[in-house]
Amino acid sequence: QSVLTQPPSVSGAPGQRVTISCTGSRSNIGAGYDVHWYQQLPGTAPKLLIYANTNRPSGVPDRFSGSKSGTSASLAISGLQAEDEADYYCQSYDSSLSGSVFGGGTKLTVL
Amino acid sequence: QVQLQESGPGLVKPAETLSLTCTVSGYSISSGYYWGWIRQPPGKGLEWIGNIYHSGSTSYNPSLKSRVTISVDTSKNQFSLKLRSVTAADTAVYYCARAHSSVAPPFFDYWGQGILVTVSS
Repeated sequence: QSVLTQPPSVSGAPGQRVTISCTGSRSNIGAGYDVHWYQQLPGTAPKLLIYANTNRPSGVPDRFSGSKSGTSASLAISGLQAEDEADYYCQSYDSSLSGSVFGGGTKLTVL
Repeated sequence: QVQLQESGPGLVKPAETLSLTCTVSGYSISSGYYWGWIRQPPGKGLEWIGNIYHSGSTSYNPSLKSRVTISVDTSKNQFSLKLRSVTAADTAVYYCARAHSSVAPPFFDYWGQGILVTVSS
């Protein structure tokens, strides 16, 4: 069980907006450590989606956005498309565990 | 274009040592950045194993630290993972990745395709 909690699954219809939460504690997100997000399409390696809470790497559509507040972070996907169907993971650092940690992952289904 | 490629045995016997190498192309390891290993058991989530800087300094997941060694060979532009005393619980897809350390924690911006390592007799 990860110290970063994500919902196991979320779903939405094409064109809709969905959010994926990443809930931590005072030893990780709440301590000020950055949160990064990755997208993993079926059978492929993870791909960096958002880094340092809100920043998109070059080539990532602006439909994807990140935010962070207190002990939680969120990934929002607007204008949902079929190709967004994937697993999404958050990553941060935990001072109690002295290392990088990933959330358990969230499976996004596009209805 | 930075590319990473994992290589090594796909099958390891219990109690033996898992050894993987990541070959980097399109970027010289000695130029900087951290380089990391992440694994994913079948059907499960991601687990950070550890990172190494081009100078050789390392950081490891405390839960694996007693069994893990990550090393770098700048002359071959490669870095490697050794995981000792493996059990079936170490069966996973192992990814190598470049870790961008401008923030805390470093984020992984380039990934290898992954290699499935099965621990079985």
